[in-house]
Amino acid sequence: NAGVMQNPRHLVRRRGQEARLRCSPMKGHSHVYWYRQLPEEGLKFMVYLQKENIIDESGMPKERFSAEFPKEGPSILRIQQVVRGDSAAYFCASSPQGLTNSPLHFGNGTRLTVT
Amino acid sequence: SQQGEEDPQALSIQEGENATMNCSYKTSINNLQWYRQNSGRGLVHLILIRSNEREKHSGRLRVTLDTSKKSSSLLITASRAADTASYFCARGGREGQGGKLIFGQGTELSVKP
Repeated sequence: NAGVMQNPRHLVRRRGQEARLRCSPMKGHSHVYWYRQLPEEGLKFMVYLQKENIIDESGMPKERFSAEFPKEGPSILRIQQVVRGDSAAYFCASSPQGLTNSPLHFGNGTRLTVT
Repeated sequence: SQQGEEDPQALSIQEGENATMNCSYKTSINNLQWYRQNSGRGLVHLILIRSNEREKHSGRLRVTLDTSKKSSSLLITASRAADTASYFCARGGREGQGGKLIFGQGTELSVKP
C-alpha cells in the first residue's frame, strides 16, 4: 500500500515563474492537507481539501497561491509568480476521514528553491 | 503563538540516556499527537493521547498529558543514534475544522553514539 506520494522532490524556479506541486494521497484517503516548512521551523498549515472541495484555506496567502483536489488525479498546490520567500519545503498529508483523532500520513515533501 | 511551544528547541544526549521533550498549548484539546521527522523526510506519526488520558506508552516512548497545565511531554527511554530527528507535538484545530493539525516548533534531538 503506497504511502502519500509527492512530486517532484525538488523543484527549482526562477522568480516570476509558476510552481506546481503534486500530491497523491494514500489509497482510500479523501482528505488532503498542505503544510509549508521553512528551515529550522515547524510546519505551518496552509489548506485542507476534500475531493473537489476546499474545506479550510485559512493558512493560504491571499495572492498567488491556490490548491485543488479534483475528482480524479492528485491534489495540486500552485504558486504563481514565485518569489524568493516562497523557498521552503511543502508537505502534503492525507487521512481517511476529516477527524482530529486520526493521525495524518505525510509525504516526503517537495523542496522548492526560487532563484 | 497559536501553535504552542516546545522545549527545549534542541537536545543533545549520549546513546542510552533518556530524552524528554515538552509541549505546551493554549486552547482546549480533544487529543494531542506526537510526530517525528528525520532530516529531509516527511513526518511520521508516533503516538496519540486523548484528553481523558494521562499517560500512554508505545515501546520506548512514553507520553504524558496534563490538561490542567495545558502541557504534554514525550519521553524516549534508552535512546539510540537512530532516534536522532526532530520531534513535533500537534493538536487539532477548532471544532468543525476537520482533521487539520496545528504543529509546534519542534525539538531537534541529537543522540550521539
